[in-house]
Amino acid sequence: SAVISQKPSRDICQRGTSLTIQCQVDSQVTMMFWYRQQPGQSLTLIATANQGSEATYESGFVIDKFPISRPNLTFSTLTVSNMSPEDSSIYLCSVELYSRTGELFFGEGSRLTVL
Amino acid sequence: QKEVEQDPGPLSVPEGAIVSLNCTYSNSAFQYFMWYRQYSRKGPELLMYTYSSGNKEDGRFTAQVDKSSKYISLFIRDSQPSDSATYLCAFSMKTSYDKVIFGPGTSLSVIP
Repeated sequence: SAVISQKPSRDICQRGTSLTIQCQVDSQVTMMFWYRQQPGQSLTLIATANQGSEATYESGFVIDKFPISRPNLTFSTLTVSNMSPEDSSIYLCSVELYSRTGELFFGEGSRLTVL
Repeated sequence: QKEVEQDPGPLSVPEGAIVSLNCTYSNSAFQYFMWYRQYSRKGPELLMYTYSSGNKEDGRFTAQVDKSSKYISLFIRDSQPSDSATYLCAFSMKTSYDKVIFGPGTSLSVIP
Protein backbone atom coordinates (compact mmCIF):
# COMPACT_ATOMS: atom_id res chain seq x y z
CA SER A 1 0.00 0.00 0.00
CA ALA A 2 0.98 3.65 0.01
CA VAL A 3 0.81 6.41 2.57
CA ILE A 4 -0.39 9.61 1.00
CA SER A 5 -0.29 12.90 2.88
CA GLN A 6 -2.24 15.91 1.75
CA LYS A 7 -1.95 19.48 2.96
CA PRO A 8 -3.97 21.38 3.91
CA SER A 9 -6.61 19.01 5.23
CA ARG A 10 -9.12 21.84 5.13
CA ASP A 11 -9.25 25.52 4.39
CA ILE A 12 -11.69 28.37 4.06
CA CYS A 13 -10.86 30.80 1.30
CA GLN A 14 -12.18 34.00 -0.14
CA ARG A 15 -13.58 34.29 -3.61
CA GLY A 16 -10.98 35.25 -6.18
CA THR A 17 -8.00 33.83 -4.32
CA SER A 18 -5.97 30.73 -5.16
CA LEU A 19 -4.98 27.76 -3.03
CA THR A 20 -2.30 25.15 -3.60
CA ILE A 21 -2.81 21.63 -2.28
CA GLN A 22 0.21 19.44 -1.72
CA CYS A 23 0.37 15.66 -2.04
CA GLN A 24 3.29 13.62 -0.71
CA VAL A 25 3.62 9.87 -1.24
CA ASP A 26 5.88 7.57 0.76
CA SER A 27 7.07 5.69 -2.32
CA GLN A 28 7.95 6.51 -5.90
CA VAL A 29 5.00 6.31 -8.26
CA THR A 30 4.61 7.00 -11.94
CA MET A 31 1.00 8.04 -12.04
CA MET A 32 -0.63 10.49 -9.69
CA PHE A 33 -4.21 11.62 -10.03
CA TRP A 34 -6.24 14.51 -8.74
CA TYR A 35 -9.96 13.98 -8.08
CA ARG A 36 -12.71 16.29 -6.95
CA GLN A 37 -15.60 15.13 -4.80
CA GLN A 38 -18.38 17.64 -4.48
CA PRO A 39 -20.77 17.38 -1.53
CA GLY A 40 -22.85 14.22 -1.75
CA GLN A 41 -21.38 13.25 -5.09
CA SER A 42 -18.87 10.79 -6.43
CA LEU A 43 -15.31 11.32 -7.52
CA THR A 44 -14.53 13.17 -10.72
CA LEU A 45 -11.06 12.98 -12.21
CA ILE A 46 -9.53 16.40 -12.74
CA ALA A 47 -6.20 15.41 -14.25
CA THR A 48 -3.44 12.84 -14.40
CA ALA A 49 0.05 13.96 -13.45
CA ASN A 50 3.08 12.11 -14.74
CA GLN A 51 6.52 13.07 -13.55
CA GLY A 52 8.44 14.99 -16.19
CA SER A 53 5.52 15.80 -18.44
CA GLU A 54 2.54 18.10 -18.49
CA ALA A 55 -0.59 16.97 -16.74
CA THR A 56 -3.44 15.54 -18.78
CA TYR A 57 -6.76 17.18 -18.01
CA GLU A 58 -10.22 15.68 -18.26
CA SER A 59 -13.04 17.30 -20.13
CA GLY A 60 -14.32 20.30 -18.23
CA PHE A 61 -11.06 21.01 -16.46
CA VAL A 62 -8.38 23.38 -17.75
CA ILE A 63 -4.82 24.11 -16.82
CA ASP A 64 -5.43 27.80 -16.17
CA LYS A 65 -7.96 26.95 -13.48
CA PHE A 66 -6.22 23.87 -12.04
CA PRO A 67 -2.48 24.09 -12.67
CA ILE A 68 -0.61 21.00 -11.53
CA SER A 69 3.04 20.42 -10.80
CA ARG A 70 4.83 17.08 -10.60
CA PRO A 71 8.47 17.80 -9.85
CA ASN A 72 9.43 14.26 -8.80
CA LEU A 73 8.09 10.74 -8.30
CA THR A 74 6.76 11.34 -4.78
CA PHE A 75 5.21 14.80 -4.87
CA SER A 76 2.56 16.80 -6.70
CA THR A 77 0.60 19.99 -6.20
CA LEU A 78 -2.80 21.11 -7.43
CA THR A 79 -3.68 24.79 -7.45
CA VAL A 80 -7.27 25.95 -7.52
CA SER A 81 -7.11 29.39 -9.11
CA ASN A 82 -9.43 32.37 -8.90
CA MET A 83 -11.78 30.44 -6.66
CA SER A 84 -15.54 30.79 -6.58
CA PRO A 85 -18.07 29.14 -4.24
CA GLU A 86 -18.62 26.47 -6.92
CA ASP A 87 -15.07 25.26 -6.24
CA SER A 88 -16.05 24.27 -2.70
CA SER A 89 -15.29 20.59 -2.67
CA ILE A 90 -13.00 17.87 -1.42
CA TYR A 91 -9.88 17.49 -3.52
CA LEU A 92 -8.24 14.08 -3.40
CA CYS A 93 -4.81 12.98 -4.49
CA SER A 94 -4.41 9.36 -5.52
CA VAL A 95 -1.72 7.07 -6.87
CA GLU A 96 -1.60 3.81 -8.72
CA LEU A 97 1.08 1.49 -7.36
CA TYR A 98 0.52 -1.46 -9.64
CA SER A 99 0.54 -0.59 -13.28
CA ARG A 100 -2.71 -0.78 -15.17
CA THR A 101 -4.78 -2.38 -12.46
CA GLY A 102 -7.07 0.46 -11.54
CA GLU A 103 -6.18 -0.03 -7.89
CA LEU A 104 -5.89 3.45 -6.50
CA PHE A 105 -4.66 4.62 -3.13
CA PHE A 106 -6.07 7.90 -1.90
CA GLY A 107 -5.03 10.60 0.47
CA GLU A 108 -7.54 11.79 3.04
CA GLY A 109 -8.46 14.78 0.95
CA SER A 110 -8.40 18.53 1.26
CA ARG A 111 -11.75 20.04 2.15
CA LEU A 112 -12.05 23.46 0.56
CA THR A 113 -14.75 26.01 1.33
CA VAL A 114 -14.92 29.18 -0.74
CA LEU A 115 -16.89 32.09 0.65
CA GLN B 1 -27.76 6.79 -20.35
CA LYS B 2 -25.19 7.43 -17.64
CA GLU B 3 -21.98 5.47 -17.89
CA VAL B 4 -22.37 4.14 -14.34
CA GLU B 5 -25.46 4.02 -12.17
CA GLN B 6 -25.63 2.91 -8.59
CA ASP B 7 -28.53 2.12 -6.32
CA PRO B 8 -29.47 5.30 -4.50
CA GLY B 9 -29.16 5.44 -0.75
CA PRO B 10 -29.00 5.96 2.01
CA LEU B 11 -29.38 2.39 3.18
CA SER B 12 -29.97 1.55 6.83
CA VAL B 13 -29.87 -2.04 8.08
CA PRO B 14 -29.72 -3.77 11.47
CA GLU B 15 -26.49 -5.37 12.60
CA GLY B 16 -26.12 -8.89 11.24
CA ALA B 17 -28.16 -8.24 8.10
CA ILE B 18 -27.05 -9.17 4.62
CA VAL B 19 -26.46 -6.09 2.50
CA SER B 20 -26.64 -5.96 -1.28
CA LEU B 21 -25.15 -3.02 -3.15
CA ASN B 22 -25.55 -2.78 -6.91
CA CYS B 23 -24.25 -0.93 -9.95
CA THR B 24 -25.00 -1.04 -13.64
CA TYR B 25 -22.73 0.23 -16.39
CA SER B 26 -23.04 0.90 -20.09
CA ASN B 27 -19.46 0.67 -21.36
CA SER B 28 -18.76 -2.88 -22.51
CA ALA B 29 -15.04 -2.04 -22.68
CA PHE B 30 -14.75 -2.03 -18.89
CA GLN B 31 -12.48 -4.89 -17.87
CA TYR B 32 -11.79 -4.22 -14.19
CA PHE B 33 -14.49 -3.99 -11.59
CA MET B 34 -13.91 -2.58 -8.15
CA TRP B 35 -15.61 -1.60 -4.95
CA TYR B 36 -14.21 1.17 -2.82
CA ARG B 37 -15.27 1.99 0.73
CA GLN B 38 -15.16 5.56 1.99
CA TYR B 39 -15.55 6.41 5.63
CA SER B 40 -16.70 9.87 6.56
CA ARG B 41 -13.96 12.48 6.08
CA LYS B 42 -11.55 9.90 4.68
CA GLY B 43 -10.33 9.02 1.22
CA PRO B 44 -11.73 5.94 -0.53
CA GLU B 45 -10.01 2.60 0.01
CA LEU B 46 -10.13 -0.37 -2.30
CA LEU B 47 -12.30 -3.13 -0.89
CA MET B 48 -12.75 -5.63 -3.71
CA TYR B 49 -11.26 -6.02 -7.16
CA THR B 50 -12.03 -8.42 -9.98
CA TYR B 51 -11.58 -8.65 -13.72
CA SER B 52 -13.91 -11.46 -14.69
CA SER B 53 -17.52 -12.46 -14.48
CA GLY B 54 -18.50 -14.53 -11.48
CA ASN B 55 -18.05 -14.23 -7.76
CA LYS B 56 -15.07 -13.28 -5.65
CA GLU B 57 -15.19 -13.72 -1.92
CA ASP B 58 -13.10 -12.07 0.78
CA GLY B 59 -14.26 -12.73 4.30
CA ARG B 60 -17.73 -11.28 4.76
CA PHE B 61 -17.60 -9.57 1.37
CA THR B 62 -18.55 -11.05 -1.99
CA ALA B 63 -18.21 -9.21 -5.28
CA GLN B 64 -20.30 -10.42 -8.17
CA VAL B 65 -19.87 -9.45 -11.80
CA ASP B 66 -22.22 -10.20 -14.66
CA LYS B 67 -20.65 -8.82 -17.82
CA SER B 68 -23.49 -9.97 -20.04
CA SER B 69 -25.95 -7.87 -18.06
CA LYS B 70 -23.42 -5.12 -17.28
CA TYR B 71 -24.20 -5.46 -13.61
CA ILE B 72 -22.04 -5.74 -10.52
CA SER B 73 -22.93 -6.31 -6.91
CA LEU B 74 -21.29 -6.27 -3.52
CA PHE B 75 -22.73 -8.44 -0.78
CA ILE B 76 -21.87 -7.95 2.87
CA ARG B 77 -22.74 -10.80 5.22
CA ASP B 78 -23.21 -10.39 8.95
CA SER B 79 -22.98 -6.63 8.62
CA GLN B 80 -21.29 -4.73 11.43
CA PRO B 81 -21.55 -1.12 12.58
CA SER B 82 -17.98 -0.71 11.34
CA ASP B 83 -19.29 -1.34 7.83
CA SER B 84 -21.13 1.98 7.97
CA ALA B 85 -19.61 3.96 5.11
CA THR B 86 -20.21 5.01 1.53
CA TYR B 87 -19.57 2.30 -1.03
CA LEU B 88 -18.46 3.27 -4.51
CA CYS B 89 -18.40 0.96 -7.48
CA ALA B 90 -15.59 1.68 -9.91
CA PHE B 91 -14.59 0.58 -13.39
CA SER B 92 -11.56 0.67 -15.60
CA MET B 93 -10.74 -0.34 -19.14
CA LYS B 94 -6.99 -0.63 -18.81
CA THR B 95 -6.35 -1.70 -22.37
CA SER B 96 -3.78 1.03 -22.08
CA TYR B 97 -3.68 3.39 -19.17
CA ASP B 98 -7.20 4.56 -18.61
CA LYS B 99 -8.94 6.40 -15.86
CA VAL B 100 -11.05 4.82 -13.18
CA ILE B 101 -14.74 5.73 -13.39
CA PHE B 102 -16.59 5.87 -10.10
CA GLY B 103 -20.26 5.40 -9.40
CA PRO B 104 -22.09 7.99 -7.27
CA GLY B 105 -21.90 5.85 -4.14
CA THR B 106 -24.37 4.33 -1.71
CA SER B 107 -24.30 5.39 1.91
CA LEU B 108 -24.76 2.47 4.30
CA SER B 109 -25.56 2.64 8.00
CA VAL B 110 -25.50 -0.52 10.10
CA ILE B 111 -27.48 -0.01 13.27
CA PRO B 112 -26.35 -1.91 16.39
